Amino acid sequence: GNSVTQMEGPVTLSEEAFLTINCTYTATGYPSLFWYVQYPGEGLQLLLKATKADDKGSNKGFEATYRKETTSFHLEKGSVQVSDSAVYFCALKVGSQGNLIFGKGTKLSVKP
Amino acid sequence: DTAVSQTPKYLVTQMGNDKSIKCEQNLGHDTMYWYKQDSKKFLKIMFSYNNKELIINETVPNRFSPKSPDKAHLNLHINSLELGDSAVYFCASRGANEQFFGPGTRLTVL
Repeated sequence: GNSVTQMEGPVTLSEEAFLTINCTYTATGYPSLFWYVQYPGEGLQLLLKATKADDKGSNKGFEATYRKETTSFHLEKGSVQVSDSAVYFCALKVGSQGNLIFGKGTKLSVKP
Repeated sequence: DTAVSQTPKYLVTQMGNDKSIKCEQNLGHDTMYWYKQDSKKFLKIMFSYNNKELIINETVPNRFSPKSPDKAHLNLHINSLELGDSAVYFCASRGANEQFFGPGTRLTVL
C-alpha cells in the first residue's frame, strides 16, 4: 500500500539553524510528493511539491528533492526563523484523482 | 475571499448530543473532504465527496454523516457525540494541483 513516514518531533532549533525533516514513502505507481505546513491555530497550507523523480520543490526558503532511488523527500531550510514554528506534514498522492496520504507530522519550534 | 470556510471554529458540547459542522468552498472544485486531527496532530481522512456522491468512507462510525446540499458545501453531522470525538475537524477541497484546507473546527465533548 501507499504510506508516508516522517521523523518524529518535536524538533527544537535556534534561529538561523539548519533544518532537515526526513520523509520517506512507499507507493505503488509514481506518486506526487508534497509538504504541507500548519501554523498554530490554522489549517494546512501547501508549502511545496514535486511531481516526478529529481524534481526539486521550493518555497519560502524551504526545499525538498524527489529522490526515487531512496524513496525520500526530505525538507530542508538553510536558516530557520521563529516564524517557521509550525507542524510540517509530508504527503503523497498517486494519480491525478488520488487522495493525499499524510505522514504523522513533525512539530518544529524555533527559539530566538 | 476565504477559499474554504468552516463554522463554527469552536464547538463545546455534552456527550450524547447531536451537532453539525458546516463547510463551504468558493473554488468551484468537484471534490471535498473531511479530516479528523487528533491531539497528536495525526490527520485521518474521514470522507470525500465528488459531485455529491460519497466516494470514500474510511471506517468512520456511522454516527458521522456527511451531507452535501450542493457542490460548494459539505457539512458534517455527528450523532450521539462521544468523548473520543474530541478533535479538530478540517474540511478541504481538491484542485488540480493541491488540496485547500479550511481553518478547522475544534470540537470538545464533555
